[in-house]
Amino acid sequence: GQNIDQPTEMTATEGAIVQINCTYQTSGFNGLFWYQQHAGEAPTFLSYNVLDGLEEKGRFSSFLSRSKGYSYLLLKELQMKDSASYLCAVRDSNYQLIWGAGTKLIIKP
Amino acid sequence: ETGVTQTPRHLVMGMTNKKSLKCEQHLGHNAMYWYKQSAKKPLELMFVYSLEERVENNSVPSRFSPECPNSSHLFLHLHTLQPEDSALYLCASSQELGGYEQYFGPGTRLTVT
Repeated sequence: GQNIDQPTEMTATEGAIVQINCTYQTSGFNGLFWYQQHAGEAPTFLSYNVLDGLEEKGRFSSFLSRSKGYSYLLLKELQMKDSASYLCAVRDSNYQLIWGAGTKLIIKP
Repeated sequence: ETGVTQTPRHLVMGMTNKKSLKCEQHLGHNAMYWYKQSAKKPLELMFVYSLEERVENNSVPSRFSPECPNSSHLFLHLHTLQPEDSALYLCASSQELGGYEQYFGPGTRLTVT
C-alpha cells in the first residue's frame, strides 16, 4: 500500500529553527509537495521537490532523498504566524497526490 | 484568496436531508478535485474532474454525487448522509490533471446530526 508518515505534532520556540520530517512509500514517484494549512483555512502550496537535494525559498527550505524515501521541511527564524499544520504529499506514478496526515506545529513565545 | 471559492462555509444537516456544496474557480484551470479532510487523517481524494469529465472516483459511497457543469464549477450533492460523514470538504483545482500545484478553496465544514 501507499503510505506517508510525518509526526503528528511538534512544538518550537519563536526565532528558532524546526525540521519537519516526512517518509513515504508509494507506487512510483513524480514529485513531493509541502503545503501549509492554518486552522480553518485552505492548504496553500509551499514547495515542490522532484530531484534530490535542497530547495530554498526564503525562511523555508525543503529537502528530498528519493533513495531513502525521505523529505524534510526546514523552517528558520520561526514566527508566531508559522503556527499551522504542514502537509506532505507525494505524486505517484499515476500523477495522483498521496497525502500525509499533517504535522501540527505549535510556536511558543 | 486562492481563486477558489466554496459555499456554504458551514453546513449542519440531518441524515434525511439533501444539500449541495458548491465550488467555483476563477483561475482558468482544467482539473478540479473534491477532498474530504477528517481530524488527524490524511486528505482523502473523493472525485477528480478533467475538462468536465470525471476521471477518478475513489470508492466513494453513492450518497455523495458530484457534478461538473463546466470547467469553472463543481458541485457535491449530498443525501442520506451518516454522522461519520461529518468533516471538512475541500475543493481544489490545478492547471492540468496531475498538475504541479493544487489551489484549494477554504472548505465547507459539514456536520451531520
